[in-house]
Amino acid sequence: EVVLTQSPNFQSVTPKGRVTISCRASQSIGTSLHWYQQKPEQSPKVLIKYASQSVSGVPSRFSGSGSGTDFTLTIDSLEAEDAATYYCHQSSSLPFTFGPGTKVDVK
Amino acid sequence: QVQLVESGGGVVQPGRSLRLSCAASGFTFRNFAIHWVRQAPGKGLEWVAVISDDGRNKYYVDSVKGRFTISRDNSKNMVYLQMNSLRPDDTAVYYCARDSAGGVAAYFEFWGLGTLVPVSS
Repeated sequence: EVVLTQSPNFQSVTPKGRVTISCRASQSIGTSLHWYQQKPEQSPKVLIKYASQSVSGVPSRFSGSGSGTDFTLTIDSLEAEDAATYYCHQSSSLPFTFGPGTKVDVK
Repeated sequence: QVQLVESGGGVVQPGRSLRLSCAASGFTFRNFAIHWVRQAPGKGLEWVAVISDDGRNKYYVDSVKGRFTISRDNSKNMVYLQMNSLRPDDTAVYYCARDSAGGVAAYFEFWGLGTLVPVSS
């Protein structure tokens, strides 16, 4: 099973600041890594697919990078509406797994 | 627009069974794999099961193998999750999610609102 670890667990950033979230895989997964945003009491929503590909309708301030075992989600110019928990997910091998999540607070 | 609506949740005693349903609309259902993903209260996301577009391929997380069964009816645009021998640690919100493709190894492009399954005596 591919284990995903995320860091940090929690990040508090002022509006217009930058957020960087790391996701590390226990083995190489190529670019089969996706990022989701979950706001309180809502379903998750995909932000980035295949490590760095943008998703239609997602603001351009969200970007992803990485391959192999190390991946990064970056949020530029943070807005109040970006307060949420962010999860990475790998689809390289079964069972599909998620990272534990990173909670982002907007100060 | 794509819609996924889960139903069938509710309080169930340990050891009992429950069947969840996922009604899909707004897309060509037979062309996409469907997953179940769950989230225990206050916890993270856990993938549970997937069924391919034609229903031939089904995969499960180890913790539910032998207890849960995923199925689909392409004539009704429905996916089901039969859950037997339920345990307290199965307590979660269960989401159905549409894959981005017909196979079973892509990403979760659309999600339902979820249905809560508390397992408690």
